[in-house]
Amino acid sequence: DTGVSQNPRHKITKRGQNVTFRCDPISEHNRLYWYRQTLGQGPEFLTYFQNEAQLEKSRLLSDRFSAERPKGSFSTLEIQRTEQGDSAMYLCASSLNQGGSGEAFFGQGTRLTVV
Amino acid sequence: AQKITQTQPGMFVQEKEAVTLDCTYDTSDPSYGLFWYKQPSSGEMIFLIYQGSYDQQNATEGRYSLNFQKARKSANLVISASQLGDSAMYFCAMTENNAGNMLTFGGGTRLMVKP
Repeated sequence: DTGVSQNPRHKITKRGQNVTFRCDPISEHNRLYWYRQTLGQGPEFLTYFQNEAQLEKSRLLSDRFSAERPKGSFSTLEIQRTEQGDSAMYLCASSLNQGGSGEAFFGQGTRLTVV
Repeated sequence: AQKITQTQPGMFVQEKEAVTLDCTYDTSDPSYGLFWYKQPSSGEMIFLIYQGSYDQQNATEGRYSLNFQKARKSANLVISASQLGDSAMYFCAMTENNAGNMLTFGGGTRLMVKP
């Protein structure tokens, strides 16, 4: 499977615990994005990387959230001290940095439930 | 102000008929891209079609076409010959050249195809 892969698919955690999600993009894609989608809404941008550099962060990304892409390949998104409001689908996407469509391919997401 | 507006929370269409999903956008960037994604109940975002702001002709991809009216800032998706498998959430999204190519999504339209 050469698509975007996200793990785990589902995560249930207790409030206050830390969680980490992983995203493996399409191998030749140099851009990687994280989005958050709550029920009934469209995805909202969180952050993106070009290679290993984190170039943009949304103000939605509080200091409890951190994302890394250490070698410009896979990425991790960590949420510390989870809150019930963090419950959402976390989507990862990758694309080539080029003109034209720069179409982003999405993974199947990680659904987080904070209880 | 909302950058992407989808005014139809839900739509019904009879199988084999055509349906139009509305999308209006707001940007002052002369260079932008417009996308439509499909999200079935499995959660994955599936790319359908792309229209660049400088493209002269409306984009088409199989049964999907994008009715691009630049002066009205609208980018409606037309699905011809609807199939039962088209039942899903549909999201309109935009990238702006001055905003790192991250996608800004609308709130989505739920399409239900009736047999």
